[in-house]
Amino acid sequence: ETGVTQTPRHLVMGMTNKKSLKCEQHLGHNAMYWYKQSAKKPLELMFVYNFKEQTENNSVPSRFSPECPNSSHLFLHLHTLQPEDSALYLCASSRGSGLNQPQHFGDGTRLSIL
Amino acid sequence: KQEVTQIPAALSVPEGENLVLNCSFTDSAIYNLQWFRQDPGKGLTSLLLIQSSQREQTSGRLNASLDKSSGRSTLYIAASQPGDSATYLCAGLRDDKIIFGKGTRLHILP
Repeated sequence: ETGVTQTPRHLVMGMTNKKSLKCEQHLGHNAMYWYKQSAKKPLELMFVYNFKEQTENNSVPSRFSPECPNSSHLFLHLHTLQPEDSALYLCASSRGSGLNQPQHFGDGTRLSIL
Repeated sequence: KQEVTQIPAALSVPEGENLVLNCSFTDSAIYNLQWFRQDPGKGLTSLLLIQSSQREQTSGRLNASLDKSSGRSTLYIAASQPGDSATYLCAGLRDDKIIFGKGTRLHILP
């Protein structure tokens, strides 16, 4: 148990579907992150939220839309995805702002786009 | 552009051996260097974080060193155990950008 819970664990969707990934942390952290892990590629940071405010968007396509209603919850809304978006999506949280703190990761959502 | 390289991509060693995993980065102006472990089907577990002002960090059988001048970090695992089998990733942080290597897949043979 890492303290960071992601749901669903697996998701299969068509390119025209709309779905959302959910992340919840029980660690009292103030920063939350979305990462993408594709096969044979390094882990990529997608979005960073500090105290519910988005502070980082690493040139992520608009078909990925994050939402952070409070410091404990983070969502990733998906629509009109492409086959190359199939990957493991990891959520993480850390104490304080910035990336200079140890991050705690969830177990990820394995996303497959048909 | 900051790049992080991990060599080898995969490693198998007998149980009980000491081993070293390597990480190199192209930009010496990193703020910190982190080592993570990832088990199959799981997220990442932070192992050690070395700040730019530090040279090394230790936790149990793990020791990580950082040499900014040469752009290298090593993760030393003493007395390896089958439970150490996992993928080990290093990540460098600079200017609020965190760049990961592709990882070294470690298999400890019983």
